[in-house]
Amino acid sequence: EPEVTQTPSHQVTQMGQEVILRCVPISNHLYFYWYRQILGQKVEFLVSFYNNEISEKSEIFDDQFSVERPDGSNFTLKIRSTKLEDSAMYFCASSSGTSHSPLHFGNGTRLTVT
Amino acid sequence: GQQVMQIPQYQHVQEGEDFTTYCNSSTTLSNIQWYKQRPGGHPVFLIQLVKSGEVKKQKRLTFQFGEAKKNSSLHITATQTTDVGTYFCAGPGQNSWGKLQFGAGTQVVVTP
Repeated sequence: EPEVTQTPSHQVTQMGQEVILRCVPISNHLYFYWYRQILGQKVEFLVSFYNNEISEKSEIFDDQFSVERPDGSNFTLKIRSTKLEDSAMYFCASSSGTSHSPLHFGNGTRLTVT
Repeated sequence: GQQVMQIPQYQHVQEGEDFTTYCNSSTTLSNIQWYKQRPGGHPVFLIQLVKSGEVKKQKRLTFQFGEAKKNSSLHITATQTTDVGTYFCAGPGQNSWGKLQFGAGTQVVVTP
């Protein structure tokens, strides 16, 4: 069964540094998402992406964050000037495109900011 | 803003017992989805309910969508150790196209 893949599985970075989290969505999916989960807490929506542009973003997704689809397969989340509170598991997800169709999540990238 | 709430937050179950977890939304939902996250894993889609009063079954799991489409429940019968994990309900954000609002989840621990 096709799956969403994310790299790296774990990223450790120093406060103030920039990180790029990478995702390869399922190939025939059209809608892409980033969610995050602080340890032990709920899954929080960050951003959705369709047709090479952001379709929706949450209040968490401020100017520190950006997303890009640099080629036909990768979908990236860039976090500039990381803060301690950015430490979380970041999940990429994709869906087939029908309204509110189920999300297929990747295994996540655990980001630790020290 | 819209809120999706789940109770209980934790559920300790003896193997073989039944339990139910509940999900409530502050607004009417067009649909509700349930996901399961195993410890250390990622959310995995279980089911989607769309119609008012809809009931769907997956083996020992029974999902229900309330008549008013503001609440949902997941009932598991004869719990097994493989049921361990956190169960999340999620509904579309209000006036939203692609955002899913997740509940806080019910963490299920099964004792043999």
